[in-house]
Amino acid sequence: GDSVTQMEGPVTLSEEAFLTINCTYTATGYPSLFWYVQYPGEGLQLLLKATKADDKGSNKGFEATYRKETTSFHLEKGSVQVSDSAVYFCALTTNTNAGKSTFGDGTTLTVKP
Amino acid sequence: DVKVTQSSRYLVKRTGEKVFLECVQDMDHENMFWYRQDPGLGLRLIYFSYDVKMKEKGDIPEGYSVSREKKERFSLILESASTNQTSMYLCASSLVQGAGSDTQYFGPGTRLTVL
Repeated sequence: GDSVTQMEGPVTLSEEAFLTINCTYTATGYPSLFWYVQYPGEGLQLLLKATKADDKGSNKGFEATYRKETTSFHLEKGSVQVSDSAVYFCALTTNTNAGKSTFGDGTTLTVKP
Repeated sequence: DVKVTQSSRYLVKRTGEKVFLECVQDMDHENMFWYRQDPGLGLRLIYFSYDVKMKEKGDIPEGYSVSREKKERFSLILESASTNQTSMYLCASSLVQGAGSDTQYFGPGTRLTVL
């Protein structure tokens, strides 16, 4: 079946530091890849996505590139802010899974001033 | 913007009670989902619905049932609540069945405590 493996957390960074959260996947079909973010006390919301190999998703200074050869979709941001403190989930959907998504376990990021 | 609303943010119930969690989406989405989120366990799919009156079990359906009588509303039912069902419950919806690139839109969550 499908699976998503995320870098374990928690991750603690100082403001303006560089962020990488690793995500690798296995999928039986051709996946679309997503990063969702969950701010404290809220539900998940889409951060960015990529639907085919070599696509780069970007939003709010975050980026991730769909790497089919390494089955990865690592999340990066050049300079994090305190307001980026949240839980980040990597996820995939495939055209063989009837609209369901497979989620990673989530990585908690804390950014300190 | 897509809006997914859940009937309660916080709920406290007693063991053995029947509990209803309601979810409503306003964007005519076909798919709707119920997840529970527990520390260290990530998101786990309880039930999934791809159309009115259609449902499919997720990874952890035991102790739960669902109802979808109208396209915009998806209810999660705990027939007899137990303490191990204390959790955060998240509802989500997505637009097109089987397209493979569907974004899921989440509600704010219901934190249920069963005493």
